[in-house]
Amino acid sequence: GAVVSQHPSWVICKSGTSVKIECRSLDFQATTMFWYRQFPKQSLMLMATSNEGSKATYEQGVEKDKFLINHASLTLSTLTVTSAHPEDSSFYICSAGRSSGGGTQYFGPGTRLTVL
Amino acid sequence: KNQVEQSPQSLIILEGKNCTLQCNYTVSPFSNLRWYKQDTGRGPVSLTIMTFSENTKSNGRYTATLDADTKQSSLHITASQLSDSASYICVVSAQEGSTLGRLYFGRGTQLTVWP
Repeated sequence: GAVVSQHPSWVICKSGTSVKIECRSLDFQATTMFWYRQFPKQSLMLMATSNEGSKATYEQGVEKDKFLINHASLTLSTLTVTSAHPEDSSFYICSAGRSSGGGTQYFGPGTRLTVL
Repeated sequence: KNQVEQSPQSLIILEGKNCTLQCNYTVSPFSNLRWYKQDTGRGPVSLTIMTFSENTKSNGRYTATLDADTKQSSLHITASQLSDSASYICVVSAQEGSTLGRLYFGRGTQLTVWP
């Protein structure tokens, strides 16, 4: 099966700093990558969709200047949480899809962000 | 409004017992329905995927059913094991012309298996 990795798996940072999370498709080329956020006991909430080489499409209510997404290659997308605050503490999950995969999204293992 | 509702919200069963989780959806146009298992602090892992024409799909001790007419699905787990303790999420994909349709997530059923 297709493998998606995320790095780091967990991160603790001080309020006001920026944090970058990487999402990689290890054995396939991902035409589209998705970023989700999940709060405790809640379902995954889509934050943005990114296609390689183009700007990400953000969901309503998600600040694009705060959550910077870069999808520079077919195997890598990054999410940067800028000027993080405690309310940004959450579980961030990426998924990757390929056009030949019948619409299947493959999820990464997630990144736990804690902002102090 | 496209929604996915799951029940029960949480469930506790004894090891070795069977259980059934429910999923109702209003997503349209429908593309496919997936059940995922999500361990605490981990990303979702796919268990089954069913399209409109499929009404049952098995993966080991997991059996999913789909009734596209009533827009209901169930996930049956047989002979539960302690490692089955996790959140089980029902995810419905909408057909949107492109091959990567939007996903609609249920809140999940938190299953706890006791020894």
